[in-house]
Amino acid sequence: QVQLQESGPGLVKPSETLSLTCTVSGGSIISSYYWNWIRQPPGKGLEWIGYIYHSGSTNYSPSLKSRITISVDTSKNQFSLRLTSVTAADTAVYYCARESMATDSWGQGTLVTVSS
Amino acid sequence: EVVLTQSPATLSLSPGERATLSCRASQSVSVYLAWYQQKPGQAPRLLIYDASNRATGIPARFSGSGSGTDFTLTISSLEPEDFAVYYCQQRSNWPPSLTFGGGTKVEIK
Repeated sequence: QVQLQESGPGLVKPSETLSLTCTVSGGSIISSYYWNWIRQPPGKGLEWIGYIYHSGSTNYSPSLKSRITISVDTSKNQFSLRLTSVTAADTAVYYCARESMATDSWGQGTLVTVSS
Repeated sequence: EVVLTQSPATLSLSPGERATLSCRASQSVSVYLAWYQQKPGQAPRLLIYDASNRATGIPARFSGSGSGTDFTLTISSLEPEDFAVYYCQQRSNWPPSLTFGGGTKVEIK
């Protein structure tokens, strides 16, 4: 059974870059799935950030597109998120997730706080 | 961009009662709609995909219906572990994207 695990700093300063990595285990990232980043501000709903396919093809949320880069490292079975110029509004639990017909596998999530 | 509107925002029910949750799309999403359950401190869990297909391991008391713009998640008889927040989600082929509804909280009355 596939498992996903997010990793990265829990605290980022305003205007800096948020970087997270998702490690996939129990299955290959080179498969017919899309690999997503999704976030959830404290007490609020879910927001899709973007996805990547193992080929490197990506698609991003229009509202975040100018600040996002999602990349994949197939040799490490990982994919990563970079979000630039963060503000307090980017404080959220960040999830990585696998999607085909639906988002069927999720990481546990990691809280990233933007604060000086 | 498709907007998903869930109603009601909160549903107060007792164990054993029937829960009916609604999700309305701003334009047709065909049957490309999924439902998720989220409990505090946990990641969402997939319940239903393609409007009416139960995910692996999901009890039969959960059912989904609808197509086009109007969808329903029904929990036939609420168990104590069903009190949670429920989200609908659509996947669009063009532009390729995912969108979530705002959520419905099912709370104990």
